Amino acid sequence: EDQVTQSPEALRLQEGESSSLNCSYTVSGLRGLFWYRQDPGKGPEFLFTLYSAGEEKEKERLKATLTKKESFLHITAPKPEDSATYLCAVQAENSGGYQKVTFGTGTKLQVIP
Amino acid sequence: NAGVTQTPKFRVLKTGQSMTLLCAQDMNHEYMYWYRQDPGMGLRLIHYSVGEGTTAKGEVPDGYNVSRLKKQNFLLGLESAAPSQTSVYFCASHFRSNTGELFFGEGSRLTVL
Repeated sequence: EDQVTQSPEALRLQEGESSSLNCSYTVSGLRGLFWYRQDPGKGPEFLFTLYSAGEEKEKERLKATLTKKESFLHITAPKPEDSATYLCAVQAENSGGYQKVTFGTGTKLQVIP
Repeated sequence: NAGVTQTPKFRVLKTGQSMTLLCAQDMNHEYMYWYRQDPGMGLRLIHYSVGEGTTAKGEVPDGYNVSRLKKQNFLLGLESAAPSQTSVYFCASHFRSNTGELFFGEGSRLTVL
């Protein structure tokens, strides 16, 4: 069974204090790993797709990396507007009908001014 | 461009009542999904559709039914609501060729008393 574990559950940072969020996964054949951002009362918003170990993607202050067992979302010099819950998800290879996506429970990030 | 629109945004039901959640997308996406999100749990797939006139069960389909009579609409029905169905429901969609980048609606918060 595919599993996604995110840590920490919650993270509080001072503005400008860089850190990383972790996503550990087990999946029978990785098709893709995804990062989403979710603001309170909103639906998840897509950030990145990573397909193979060693791949990196960047967007503003966010950088996502991927190894064979985990992914990291690095946040450099965060600002209060980066406060949100960050979700990790993995997509297994085709299991007969649709591309199954398994989500983690998320890391709630709070950036203090 | 409205994206994915869910109605209603909030609803309170009594046990045993029925209701329908409507999801509409204006991006001409083939695939559509209904997820539920509960505290401490990742997004869990209820039902999905790979095209107009098709539906299939996800991870947690019991107590729900769906229909996709038009490509742009995906309806989620609760025939006899139970307190265990208290949750936030999200609709999502994507193109067949881009299975990992889900576009989510803003959610529908359902409380069953």
